[in-house]
Amino acid sequence: DVKVTQSSRYLVKRTGEKVFLECVQDMDHENMFWYRQDPGLGLRLIYFSYDVKMKEKGDIPEGYSVSREKKERFSLILESASTNQTSMYLCASSLWGTDKPTENTEAFFGQGTRLTVV
Amino acid sequence: GIQVEQSPPDLILQEGANSTLRCNFSDSVNNLQWFHQNPWGQLINLFYIPSGTKQNGRLSATTVATERYSLLYISSSQTTDSGVYFCAVARYQTGANNLFFGTGTRLTVIP
Repeated sequence: DVKVTQSSRYLVKRTGEKVFLECVQDMDHENMFWYRQDPGLGLRLIYFSYDVKMKEKGDIPEGYSVSREKKERFSLILESASTNQTSMYLCASSLWGTDKPTENTEAFFGQGTRLTVV
Repeated sequence: GIQVEQSPPDLILQEGANSTLRCNFSDSVNNLQWFHQNPWGQLINLFYIPSGTKQNGRLSATTVATERYSLLYISSSQTTDSGVYFCAVARYQTGANNLFFGTGTRLTVIP
């Protein structure tokens, strides 16, 4: 079974703190993703990575950065946490990216981290 | 990005009833997935279904990619089926297949 593990289930941080959210996958997947989920807005892509040390911005990268030093680990960093970053954060991984419909690119998600910034 | 619309937004069923959830998307996609979000927030994979029909127990799904829609069927619903169901479509972009999510269908199954 594919396993994607996020380091914390619940997190409470203060405004201005630097926050690290960690995600680890055990299936040698090339691609990893960070999403946030907010009521009424659904899931939105923050950043993704298609290889070690490679990263690309998603739809809402402002206020976030990422790090992928090892293939199995993808970290989301809030440089200076703000209250509008209170949200549910979801990490995902998939084998690789391709536009060929015959290739399996199924994505798997971690259990989520509920971050509250006070 | 691709627009993904799910209907209905909310659905209340009596236990044992059947239901159909719909997902429409605005452009051609590389793949499509259905998820169930459990009460703790985790997204559980239901189907990976870029096209065709698949069945898994009481659940089945059909995707008609040429007409840009997918359907999720739930038969003989149980209270444990309650939760939010998401459809997500993927488009290849810079080395990865990024998922675009619909806003979900919230299903409540009452005993």
